[in-house]
Amino acid sequence: DSGVTQTPKHLITATGQRVTLRCSPRSGDLSVYWYQQSLDQGLQFLIQYYNGEERAKGNILERFSAQQFPDLHSELNLSSLELGDSALYFCASSVALASQNSYNEQFFGPGTRLTVL
Amino acid sequence: AQKITQTQPGMFVQEKEAVTLDCTYDTSDPSYGLFWYKQPSSGEMIFLIYQGSYDQQNATEGRYSLNFQKARKSANLVISASQLGDSAMYFCAMREGSKRRAAGNKLTFGGGTRVLVKP
Repeated sequence: DSGVTQTPKHLITATGQRVTLRCSPRSGDLSVYWYQQSLDQGLQFLIQYYNGEERAKGNILERFSAQQFPDLHSELNLSSLELGDSALYFCASSVALASQNSYNEQFFGPGTRLTVL
Repeated sequence: AQKITQTQPGMFVQEKEAVTLDCTYDTSDPSYGLFWYKQPSSGEMIFLIYQGSYDQQNATEGRYSLNFQKARKSANLVISASQLGDSAMYFCAMREGSKRRAAGNKLTFGGGTRVLVKP
């Protein structure tokens, strides 16, 4: 158990709908990351938050948005869902920001498997 | 260009034997970190080992060791004495240490190597 929790574990919805994925980082971790794992795109970084502020953006679609709340939990909102959005969505957390040559391991949650029908 | 390349999509290994998983990377940043993660069929991502670009010695963690060849930009994972529970997908990932704030601390993953340990 990494200490990172994600809910729900599974989500099945229809095209055009909107869903919210929730992540609680490990106690004390300030950084939260979202990744998408799909068969055709592999594991891709979506977005990072650090202590409530957006830190970095990756290949995140405009239909997707995220935020990190004062209690450090994070939510990933996916809207106007398409079949291609079906994937395993991971949240990861780390203590802080990696400085030069620092370890700063990212701990992954169990993921939310999203199926869009 | 691919930043992380894992050329072996899948491989078999006999139980109790060692196996080497290849990973090459591409970066112009002098500061970076290399990670290996294991993903069993249950789906979770399990951290295995880390190598920093300035580390003088190859990283080791139990049965896992990293063969880090900086000049060749390779960071191969060696699993010794394979066990049935080692059957999984293995991902190599890199975190670049760019000073640009927008770079963040994202991990860039390779395509993975599926390992099946035979009894």
